[in-house]
Amino acid sequence: AQSVTQPDIHITVSEGASLELRCNYSYGATPYLFWYVQSPGQGLQLLLKYFSGDTLVQGIKGFEAEFKRSQSSFNLRKPSVHWSDAAEYFCAVGAMEYGNKLVFGAGTILRVKS
Amino acid sequence: EPEVTQTPSHQVTQMGQEVILRCVPISNHLYFYWYRQILGQKVEFLVSFYNNEISEKSEIFDDQFSVERPDGSNFTLKIRSTKLEDSAMYFCVSKAQRVGAGELFFGEGSRLTVL
Repeated sequence: AQSVTQPDIHITVSEGASLELRCNYSYGATPYLFWYVQSPGQGLQLLLKYFSGDTLVQGIKGFEAEFKRSQSSFNLRKPSVHWSDAAEYFCAVGAMEYGNKLVFGAGTILRVKS
Repeated sequence: EPEVTQTPSHQVTQMGQEVILRCVPISNHLYFYWYRQILGQKVEFLVSFYNNEISEKSEIFDDQFSVERPDGSNFTLKIRSTKLEDSAMYFCVSKAQRVGAGELFFGEGSRLTVL
């Protein structure tokens, strides 16, 4: 069965500092991987996704993520965080078979201090 | 940009009452889902729907839950007799492609509060 682990429940970074949010997945084959962002009381916005090909994927708002098969990881990075990036971030894994149901991690809450 | 719309945005109901959450998926999409998120917890899959029938459902999706697409546009989630633990944000999701890694488009969510 698919599973996703986001080891960090909360992360606080200073504005302008770099950011890395960790995500580890468990899945028997090559998964589809996603990062979503959620502001309080809002829906989920897709930041980026990995399906195949180049393991470094670029997303919106200056985010990127790198798929590392050997480590079963898909960490999200941003070189310089802005105060507006404060939100909760969810990593998700989808299977390749029929339906493509997503399994979400527990989320990481990002706080940005000025 | 096409979007998934959900109504109501927030509903408060008494325990034991029936609730219907409505969704208008993106037109020409083929796959539809409901996910829910209990406050402070992860987003959980409830059910997927394709070709007018349920294709997969989770353990959460028991006999109190049902889905239908009555008119080819709306996609509804019904909870027959709500419980306190049904309080959550419910997300409607649609996807264009039949199989593979098509993007899932999330609605803004319907917040259900059961008193």
